[in-house]
Amino acid sequence: ILNVEQSPQSLHVQEGDSTNFTCSFPSSNFYALHWYRWETAKSPEALFVMTLNGDEKKKGRISATLNTKEGYSYLYIKGSQPEDSATYLCASFTGTDKLIFGTGTRLQVFP
Amino acid sequence: NAGVTQTPKFQVLKTGQSMTLQCAQDMNHEYMSWYRQDPGMGLRLIHYSVGAGITDQGEVPNGYNVSRSTTEDFPLRLLSAAPSQTSVYFCASSYVEASEQYFGPGTRLTVT
Repeated sequence: ILNVEQSPQSLHVQEGDSTNFTCSFPSSNFYALHWYRWETAKSPEALFVMTLNGDEKKKGRISATLNTKEGYSYLYIKGSQPEDSATYLCASFTGTDKLIFGTGTRLQVFP
Repeated sequence: NAGVTQTPKFQVLKTGQSMTLQCAQDMNHEYMSWYRQDPGMGLRLIHYSVGAGITDQGEVPNGYNVSRSTTEDFPLRLLSAAPSQTSVYFCASSYVEASEQYFGPGTRLTVT
């Protein structure tokens, strides 16, 4: 079973700050990398699915990059808002049909 | 579309009891999976299915059974509940294996 690791575990920022998190995953047999946003008392919702080395995706103030050769992905949030407070999960999919999740980065944005 | 539905939302079991957590999706997704969420552990894959009639084990399959007789349904059976199975269980589905997952609302299970 893969090890998908995320850092930091938690992050507290002020409204308006920009922030970023890291997801590292085994680069062998890589197929896809997922990012999810998980608000308290809700279910995880997909942000991005990335497959190609060098891929960059953007949704509003949130963007992500992917390096499959070295096995990492960054998630960036520009100008954090209180509604961005959530746990951000990444998950790696190899050719074994299993989507393996990291333990997440918990973001709190203070007004 | 109802998306992914799970029942029940909450359940309390005594040690040794068995039960089935239900999961259904109406999006004609081929891939379905079950995860458990424990504090500090993230989401851990229990079992998954790439299509009707096909199931396989995830990271933490012991104590759980699944079946996939139809595309829509993917029930998770606890054979003999143990306190270690106290957790929140999420069912998810996707069009194919690597595409974005759609999660159900979760089932909070307590085993006493």
